Amino acid sequence: DIQLTQSPSFLSASVGDRVTFTCRASQGISSYLAWYQQKPGKAPKLLVYAASTLQNGVPSRFSGTGSGTEFTLTISSLQPEDFATYYCQQLNSYPFTFGQGTRLEI
Amino acid sequence: QVQLVQSGAEVTKPGASVKVSCKVSGYTLTELSIHWVRQAPGKGLEWMGGFDPEDGETMYGQKFQGRVTMTEDTSTDTTYMELSSLRSEDTAVYYCATVGDSSGWYYFDYWGPGTLVTVSS
Repeated sequence: DIQLTQSPSFLSASVGDRVTFTCRASQGISSYLAWYQQKPGKAPKLLVYAASTLQNGVPSRFSGTGSGTEFTLTISSLQPEDFATYYCQQLNSYPFTFGQGTRLEI
Repeated sequence: QVQLVQSGAEVTKPGASVKVSCKVSGYTLTELSIHWVRQAPGKGLEWMGGFDPEDGETMYGQKFQGRVTMTEDTSTDTTYMELSSLRSEDTAVYYCATVGDSSGWYYFDYWGPGTLVTVSS
């Protein structure tokens, strides 16, 4: 199985900050990586797929980069509604594993 | 626009089975591939399995092999996830999600609201 390791596990930031999350895959997954945002008590929301393609309706302050084994999700200027937990997921091969998540707090 | 409506919360005993439903609207089930993801309290997301349209088969996570069955009723556009031999560690919110495909790039684009399954004696 492909393991995904997210870092950091926890991040404290302020409104207006630029933040970057990292997701590392245990083996190459091309660009078969998606990023999700999850708020407490809610289902995850797709932000980015194919490592760098923004899902329709997602604000342009979100961006994704990477291929192979190293991926990043950047929020260019944090807004109050961005404080949540972020997960990466690989869809290169079964099982479609998730990273353990990065919790972003104020 | 796809909408997924899941069945209500369940409380079950260890050793029992639970069957969670996920009804699709906006599209027919035959147009979609549905996968299941669970989340234990305070924990991360865990992929359980789902329909692979390329192979026409349902794929299951090895951790759940032999205990999980995912089925579809195309007459009602409803998909089901049944988990048997439940233990306390199966207490979680269970989500169904649709698999989007953009030129071969996959992603989980629509999610149900989740169904809380509590396993307790």
